[in-house]
Amino acid sequence: GAVVSQHPSRVICKSGTSVKIECRSLDFQATTMFWYRQFPKQSLMLMATSNEGSKATYEQGVEKDKFLINHASLTLSTLTVTSAHPEDSSFYICSANKAGPGGEQFFGPGTRLTVL
Amino acid sequence: GDSVTQMEGPVTLSEEAFLTINCTYTATGYPSLFWYVQYPGEGLQLLLKATKADDKGSNKGFEATYRKETTSFHLEKGSVQVSDSAVYFCALSGQGGSEKLVFGKGTKLTVNP
Repeated sequence: GAVVSQHPSRVICKSGTSVKIECRSLDFQATTMFWYRQFPKQSLMLMATSNEGSKATYEQGVEKDKFLINHASLTLSTLTVTSAHPEDSSFYICSANKAGPGGEQFFGPGTRLTVL
Repeated sequence: GDSVTQMEGPVTLSEEAFLTINCTYTATGYPSLFWYVQYPGEGLQLLLKATKADDKGSNKGFEATYRKETTSFHLEKGSVQVSDSAVYFCALSGQGGSEKLVFGKGTKLTVNP
């Protein structure tokens, strides 16, 4: 199968600190990965599209300087929440495209971020 | 912009009951439509999909038909099992090979023995 992992699964941090979340495709290469945010009882909202070797494409309203995305290899994308605040507390989910345009997206299990 | 509306949950059924989860969409062009399932503690998994009007997606006893005239993609299963308890998300992706997914809010299904 196609497995996507996220690390950590849960993180609690103090306000003002930065947190890095990793997304890895374990058994396939992914030129494109996606980062979503999910609020309680809400749908997944796409934050940005991460492209290997190039800058991420952010959705309207998402602060690129706050949510730093790096896609350094075909199996790893990272999301760094900089200077986190309580309103950044959320469930962050990544997905990876297995093969080419229109290919199926495989999702990670998500990371629960709590900012105190 | 594109959007997906699915029925609010939670939905609670007894084993072997019939399931329908309604999903309607708004989109320009001809989107592809998907149902994803999220079991407790796991990531979203693709359940089924349909890429053009009148297509029927099916998997694990679940079915959904792409109805362009009613802009709907309702999920159905004739006889649910306890193991079907999960959150179900309806989603669409745009025309032209766009890979972005737009999700509904999700419907939590609980099946009791």
